Amino acid sequence: NAGVMQNPRHLVRRRGQEARLRCSPMKGHSHVYWYRQLPEEGLKFMVYLQKENIIDESGMPKERFSAEFPKEGPSILRIQQVVRGDSAAYFCASSPARAQYSGANVLTFGAGSRLTVL
Amino acid sequence: SQQGEEDPQALSIQEGENATMNCSYKTSINNLQWYRQNSGRGLVHLILIRSNEREKHSGRLRVTLDTSKKSSSLLITASRAADTASYFCATGRNTPLVFGKGTRLSVIA
Repeated sequence: NAGVMQNPRHLVRRRGQEARLRCSPMKGHSHVYWYRQLPEEGLKFMVYLQKENIIDESGMPKERFSAEFPKEGPSILRIQQVVRGDSAAYFCASSPARAQYSGANVLTFGAGSRLTVL
Repeated sequence: SQQGEEDPQALSIQEGENATMNCSYKTSINNLQWYRQNSGRGLVHLILIRSNEREKHSGRLRVTLDTSKKSSSLLITASRAADTASYFCATGRNTPLVFGKGTRLSVIA
């Protein structure tokens, strides 16, 4: 019974390149959340998705960042034209579809993808 | 913002001692959750306390909630070196969970 799977675990990109982070939710979970964590900081909410639908993207930067959760396959967080300030750990979490928002649900987190921008 | 703020930012204790961490938040909540994060790893859910509960226990963990003061505390009794981690409170009311900056707990053997 695999948990939330994220890959890659570590990703190094040069400024201007694209970064793609993948997340497969826990079996039976249909809601996916992406959070970003800077060193010595808490987690900042980015986006909340169901399959083929973005529910809440209020934490996503307006430019260069996008997320999707297709009908088939993992959720993908895409960062275009990366800059050094994008260096962070990106965590994906999932929850079952018992409530519209995670305030009523416990989140199961993946191990994170650590992005380093040179 | 419903962001929880943990206090203290860092805590260092001897193995066997109790560790207490506090969390304050700003608006009304449905529930409050505590998570643990070991260095370089993802967060792991520890315990959830509903807004109509005042205290909850899980093993060596004890959580209290005071909605009138908008605060919660996490007590870890008889701490072990393996409890060394960062601890976060998280709140949400019809919104995605919002996490504080956490308390970094070091338990010295």
